[in-house]
Amino acid sequence: NAGVTQTPKFQVLKTGQSMTLQCAQDMNHEYMSWYRQDPGMGLRLIHYSVGAGITDQGEVPNGYNVSRSTTEDFPLRLLSAAPSQTSVYFCASRRGNGDEQFFGPGTRLTVL
Amino acid sequence: GNSVTQMEGPVTLSEEAFLTINCTYTATGYPSLFWYVQYPGEGLQLLLKATKADDKGSNKGFEATYRKETTSFHLEKGSVQVSDSAVYFCALKGRGSGAGSYQLTFGKGTKLSVIP
Repeated sequence: NAGVTQTPKFQVLKTGQSMTLQCAQDMNHEYMSWYRQDPGMGLRLIHYSVGAGITDQGEVPNGYNVSRSTTEDFPLRLLSAAPSQTSVYFCASRRGNGDEQFFGPGTRLTVL
Repeated sequence: GNSVTQMEGPVTLSEEAFLTINCTYTATGYPSLFWYVQYPGEGLQLLLKATKADDKGSNKGFEATYRKETTSFHLEKGSVQVSDSAVYFCALKGRGSGAGSYQLTFGKGTKLSVIP
């Protein structure tokens, strides 16, 4: 049982480039979400999904796209990277409306 | 909307000292409350939780009591160790069936450093 996995662990992009952060979970959790963590800001919700084919925006969705074609995968796409998107990104999953949320190890993204 | 306010760090303590990290919240109804811990270079892990008023969550020597009257969920540990050095996040989750009940609202985190 791998839990929540994220790739890559580190990434450096140039302004304007696009990329996809991968997230997968093997716990058959319905709910998945993406957060960004910035110094002094805590974790802020970017997008979330309550099941395959269903996504919604969180607190800071601008500049990011998501899709949920399977229960297991929830990729986060940066369409045109900006320096303001330099951050650590965490994916998380939860069983329906259950309480415990499981986090991946994070992706540290730097946009130059 | 929901919000969580926790004491800002960093907090530096000597080994075996007593720890308190304050957390207060604003929410409609009766949310579930959590403390998550993030060790260096890792994702967040659930440390403890409480789902109703007067519940006490506990784990690894840490405790927190859900106080509805003061809307608080302070984290305490009687004797900290160097291995407790981490960032601690207070969080809440609303109740109900709407989209808001799926979302966790986090505090900004408190960095704890324990020195030998």
